[in-house]
Amino acid sequence: NAGVTQTPKFQVLKTGQSMTLQCAQDMNHNSMYWYRQDPGMGLRLIYYSASEGTTDKGEVPNGYNVSRLNKREFSLRLESAAPSQTSVYFCASREIASSSYNEQFFGPGTRLTVL
Amino acid sequence: GQQVMQIPQYQHVQEGEDFTTYCNSSTTLSNIQWYKQRPGGHPVFLIQLVKSGEVKKQKRLTFQFGEAKKNSSLHITATQTTDVGTYFCAGGTGKLIFGQGTTLQVKP
Repeated sequence: NAGVTQTPKFQVLKTGQSMTLQCAQDMNHNSMYWYRQDPGMGLRLIYYSASEGTTDKGEVPNGYNVSRLNKREFSLRLESAAPSQTSVYFCASREIASSSYNEQFFGPGTRLTVL
Repeated sequence: GQQVMQIPQYQHVQEGEDFTTYCNSSTTLSNIQWYKQRPGGHPVFLIQLVKSGEVKKQKRLTFQFGEAKKNSSLHITATQTTDVGTYFCAGGTGKLIFGQGTTLQVKP
C-alpha cells in the first residue's frame, strides 16, 4: 500500500506557465482534497471531491481547477501560474467525507516555485 | 465561515519542559482532529475527539475537547527532541478546516 502519492515532488515554473499536479490513492477512499501550505497560514483547502464525480471549492480556489479522474485520482491544474501560487501543495484522502470518524491521509507534497 | 485559531504560533522549550497548544473554533464542532507535521514532512493524524469534555492520552500527549465543543488543547509532558514539529488542530465533517498550527522547537 503506497497510500497517497503525488507527482512531481518539486517544480519550478515561470509566471504564466501551466501545469498539473497529480494525486492518487490506493486506499479505496471516497473523498479527496487539495491543500496549500504557506508559512504561518496553516493548511488551506483549495478544492475537494466528496465522492467520485463531484468537486467543490474550498477556501482558496481562485487560479486553480481540479479533475476527479476516477475514484483513485484527483488532479490540480494551474492554468496560468503566478508568484502568489508558490507554495507546498498537499493532496489528502479520506474514506467518507460525511462521516465524523475518518482521519485524513496526506501525500508527501509538491513544492512549487513560480518565478 | 468557520474559523479555527491556534495559539501560540511558535514555542521554544528546553527538553524536559511541558508544552501546550490551544485551539479555538468560531462555531461548535462535531469533532476535532489533531495532526503532527515533522519538518519537511506531511501532516500525520494523531487523534480524534468527539464527545464534549473528552480527554484522551497517548503516552506523554494529552488531548482535551472543551465542554462547549468549541475549543481543544494538546499538552505534551516532558518534551523530547522527537516532539519537534508543527501541531495542527482541524475541525469539521465534510471538509476539515485547519488551524494555523503551533511549531514546537525543543532544545536538547
